[in-house]
Amino acid sequence: SQQGEEDPQALSIQEGENATMNCSYKTSINNLQWYRQNSGRGLVHLILIRSNEREKHSGRLRVTLDTSKKSSSLLITASRAADTASYFCATPGGNQFYFGTGTSLTVIP
Amino acid sequence: DADVTQTPRNRITKTGKRIMLECSQTKGHDRMYWYRQDPGLGLRLIYYSFDVKDINKGEISDGYSVSRQAQAKFSLSLESAIPNQTALYFCATSDSSEANEKLFFGSGTQLSVL
Repeated sequence: SQQGEEDPQALSIQEGENATMNCSYKTSINNLQWYRQNSGRGLVHLILIRSNEREKHSGRLRVTLDTSKKSSSLLITASRAADTASYFCATPGGNQFYFGTGTSLTVIP
Repeated sequence: DADVTQTPRNRITKTGKRIMLECSQTKGHDRMYWYRQDPGLGLRLIYYSFDVKDINKGEISDGYSVSRQAQAKFSLSLESAIPNQTALYFCATSDSSEANEKLFFGSGTQLSVL
């Protein structure tokens, strides 16, 4: 399976703290994407990092990619209660997108 | 209006019934997908279609069928529903003309099979 794996499965932090979640994948990729899912809702694309990039920023999001270790991390800085959601990494492969099992983030006000 | 619309949002049905979930999109994307989400298992691909009349099986197609009636419409059918098909179902679209494709999801259909 090309499915990615996120770590940790669940994360609980106080508002204002930073949240870091990690993703490992199994095969060579052209890019890696992170999606967010509010409870019971559809996933929303957050950020994409290409295989030739090592780091990318978007607002309070910072994504890193280490293709030698087949891993990526998503950092959310200065977290807010509204960041409470599940976060998934996804890797396009062949004709499909492969999703990890997700990290459930809870930000406590 | 939502770009990717799924109907119904919720459905409760009985074992053995035929169910159809519908998806329509206004994004003009050529590619459409059906995913299933179960707690702790992430998203798993059921079927995907890259154009009208193009249908491909995903990871877990058994017990499901699909129809791509038009570029904007992609429906998922359960011919004879069973309880382990209880899950949250998502339709998604992507644009193959983009150098780095991204998925756009509908709001999901929560299906319960009793």
